[in-house]
Amino acid sequence: EVQLVQSGAEVKKPGESLKISCKGSGYSFTTYWIGWVRQTPGKGLEWMGMIYPGDSDTRYSPSFQGQVTISADRSISTAYLQWSSLKTSDTAIYYCARRTTGGGRVWFDPWGQGTLVTVSS
Amino acid sequence: DIQMTQSPSSLSAYVGDRVTITCRASQSISSSLNWYQQKPGKAPNLLIYAASSLQSGVPSRFSGSGSGTDFTLTISSLQPEDFATYYCQQSYSSPWTFGQGTKVEIK
Repeated sequence: EVQLVQSGAEVKKPGESLKISCKGSGYSFTTYWIGWVRQTPGKGLEWMGMIYPGDSDTRYSPSFQGQVTISADRSISTAYLQWSSLKTSDTAIYYCARRTTGGGRVWFDPWGQGTLVTVSS
Repeated sequence: DIQMTQSPSSLSAYVGDRVTITCRASQSISSSLNWYQQKPGKAPNLLIYAASSLQSGVPSRFSGSGSGTDFTLTISSLQPEDFATYYCQQSYSSPWTFGQGTKVEIK
């Protein structure tokens, strides 16, 4: 079974750093892009960026470029999303999802279970 | 960025009803349109990809259609487990963008 399992919920203070993870199993981790998606009540679902674990090629949405860092450790089939200095506006649920292609089309499947990040003083 | 607009934002329906949700793109996206279902406290789950292809394991009462800028998701006979929020997503050009969601509630 193809599966993505994310790390647990986090509570942080503004200015702190954070790294959350997404571990893939049941498929060749290095041959599929892994994307990250933010969900908030106000803005809904937003695609943040993605990484190709095979060579660590990384792409960011312009809205998130410079705000987060996406990385991967292919030796343990894990992708990461990290912040160097959190803001209260980073409070959200973060999902990882595998980018799948077929016939020239692209979709996200499966998704991780989500990681709730709460940033509050 | 390509803007995705869903309508309605919410709807109430009876079990057994036929339900249609529409999604409009701000520019042509060919058939690069996906539909996801999200239940409370859960991650989105892929229903339809490439506008009209049913994801494996998804019941056949779900169907998708459209191309260019206008798309629809249809549930032919609404079941109790279908009450959820539905999102469209374009994968034509980066950054991939989502609709704001359509919440389907019990009437």
